[in-house]
Amino acid sequence: DSGVTQTPKHLITATGQRVTLRCSPRSGDLSVYWYQQSLDQGLQFLIQYYNGEERAKGNILERFSAQQFPDLHSELNLSSLELGDSALYFCASSEEAYYYNEQFFGPGTRLTVL
Amino acid sequence: QKEVEQDPGPLSVPEGAIVSLNCTYSNSAFQYFMWYRQYSRKGPELLMYTYSSGNKEDGRFTAQVDKSSKYISLFIRDSQPSDSATYLCAMSNSGSRLTFGEGTQLTVNP
Repeated sequence: DSGVTQTPKHLITATGQRVTLRCSPRSGDLSVYWYQQSLDQGLQFLIQYYNGEERAKGNILERFSAQQFPDLHSELNLSSLELGDSALYFCASSEEAYYYNEQFFGPGTRLTVL
Repeated sequence: QKEVEQDPGPLSVPEGAIVSLNCTYSNSAFQYFMWYRQYSRKGPELLMYTYSSGNKEDGRFTAQVDKSSKYISLFIRDSQPSDSATYLCAMSNSGSRLTFGEGTQLTVNP
């Protein structure tokens, strides 16, 4: 158990809908990362937050947004869902954001868009 | 072309074999190199971390980084059925966002 929790574990929804994925980082970790893992693209970095502020952005679609709250939990919002958004979404956390430190991954949320 | 290339396998070996996994990359700014292990339907977990070039050993696992060739390797000695998993290489230039390879699916047969 990495100490990172993600809810829900599974999510099945229809095209055009909006969903929210939630992540609670390890105790003491200030940095949260979101990754998407799909069969054709592999594991891809989406976005990073550090202590409530956006720190880095990757290949995140405009239909997707994220935020980190004062209690450091984070939410990833996916809207106008398409079939191609079906994937595993992982949250990871680390202590810092300005130098290397281990990222601990949560168990993931499996999103299926029908 | 992807920044990080990794043969997806699958790779199947008998128990006790030496396993060699590798990745190549194109971004010369990468200086942090990692290997993650991912069991089916689980999140990735860090196996090995290396900064810049060189070798690092941890038990049955050895990680090698050759920055001049833009090539990294992971060796698993005396492989066990419990090593069956997907192995992902990951790299970073800043220490924060990670760029992953596609992952190599490994099966160790008893």
